[in-house]
Amino acid sequence: GESVGLHLPTLSVQEGDNSIINCAYSNSASDYFIWYKQESGKGPQFIIDIRSNMDKRQGQRVTVLLNKTVKHLSLQIAATQPGDSAVYFCAENNIGTSYGKLTFGQGTILTVHP
Amino acid sequence: GAVVSQHPSRVICKSGTSVKIECRSLDFQATTMFWYRQFPKQSLMLMATSNEGSKATYEQGVEKDKFLINHASLTLSTLTVTSAHPEDSSFYICSAFARETQYFGPGTRLLVL
Repeated sequence: GESVGLHLPTLSVQEGDNSIINCAYSNSASDYFIWYKQESGKGPQFIIDIRSNMDKRQGQRVTVLLNKTVKHLSLQIAATQPGDSAVYFCAENNIGTSYGKLTFGQGTILTVHP
Repeated sequence: GAVVSQHPSRVICKSGTSVKIECRSLDFQATTMFWYRQFPKQSLMLMATSNEGSKATYEQGVEKDKFLINHASLTLSTLTVTSAHPEDSSFYICSAFARETQYFGPGTRLLVL
């Protein structure tokens, strides 16, 4: 995984707005992608995943979009709530060659204002 | 979702001592677990893959003699940080697969003085 310096991207939204968090992944051979939410001092919490044979997947209040052409992943959160405030990480994996070994993106800090 | 626990949640130790961190899968068996490290305001980085009944495999740049991993049962993997130094202070997180989804433990905060 790649780790970056001290300046994570940030996104501030008002409660009730929709949020879009973006991620550029690095390995064109990756075929499995996951979004995790991490609250301060806790481990990552699974949100939603998508395989490379899909370009969109929906969950409860969340949607993940995958654009393999430009190696881009996004997470859309509908009707964002204060409890959604956290750091969001995308992660990628090549199931065939390195099953389970996740490479994490740099993370985005989401702040939801009441 | 599946539950992965870690113990301890926080540990403070003196430089030069060794610290053991446990990772348990509570409601499923895991032949493979993973250990990650996360420095403040940074992303998670994979350290090693823990394999039940066999040797762990380490990522490039991770010293296997410093970070000893033992996966003696299908529900327990341990990470021992040997001769810890202040630069080893970090957040250590384990994970395991259950039902094709990778679940993470709550993490262990290590502070080496």
